Amino acid sequence: SAVISQKPSRDICQRGTSLTIQCQVDSQVTMMFWYRQQPGQSLTLIATANQGSEATYESGFVIDKFPISRPNLTFSTLTVSNMSPEDSSIYLCSVVPGAADQPQHFGDGTRLSIL
Amino acid sequence: GQQLNQSPQSMFIQEGEDVSMNCTSSSIFNTWLWYKQDPGEGPVLLIALYKAGELTSNGRLTAQFGITRKDSFLNISASIPSDVGIYFCAGFYTGANSKLTFGKGITLSVRP
Repeated sequence: SAVISQKPSRDICQRGTSLTIQCQVDSQVTMMFWYRQQPGQSLTLIATANQGSEATYESGFVIDKFPISRPNLTFSTLTVSNMSPEDSSIYLCSVVPGAADQPQHFGDGTRLSIL
Repeated sequence: GQQLNQSPQSMFIQEGEDVSMNCTSSSIFNTWLWYKQDPGEGPVLLIALYKAGELTSNGRLTAQFGITRKDSFLNISASIPSDVGIYFCAGFYTGANSKLTFGKGITLSVRP
């Protein structure tokens, strides 16, 4: 399976600032996703990162708050904008290495705390 | 929308015991997945199931895709301390705009 690297692994940020999280995969993948995992909760899909076009956002998530880039088949970024304490979560990148119906594999996540 | 039910939220077992976790859905899936998440890490895929009735093993882990396509279970046999973690079930239905739906997870504690 693909090796997925997320940076940073954790950060503590001031409210009102923005942070960009990177997801790098060691091979080309068909699909990439961004999830949020709030403390003690399950995973919630933020958006599907589409290569060369705008991301597809889930209900409750908007591009202005969570802009996403995917310039190629191995890399994506998620920006958490104008952060507030409610944005304190783990943000996870996942990929589907092969056909679209294959399982997703996850990075180790970025643990974000906003003061 | 689709929901996956995992309960109880936490389970406590003695080392060496077997444990079974169930996951039920309000709608059918054609793929069931089981993930484990350790503290500070992302979920790791344990077992993938693609066919109703399928029974698949991965070491001490065994999982089954329910006949109704609305449920799955995961068994862990002869538990060891490193089995501690959060176990998520997830369901997927292939199709346009299909998405992975996660259960809320079960936190497993193993007493030595």
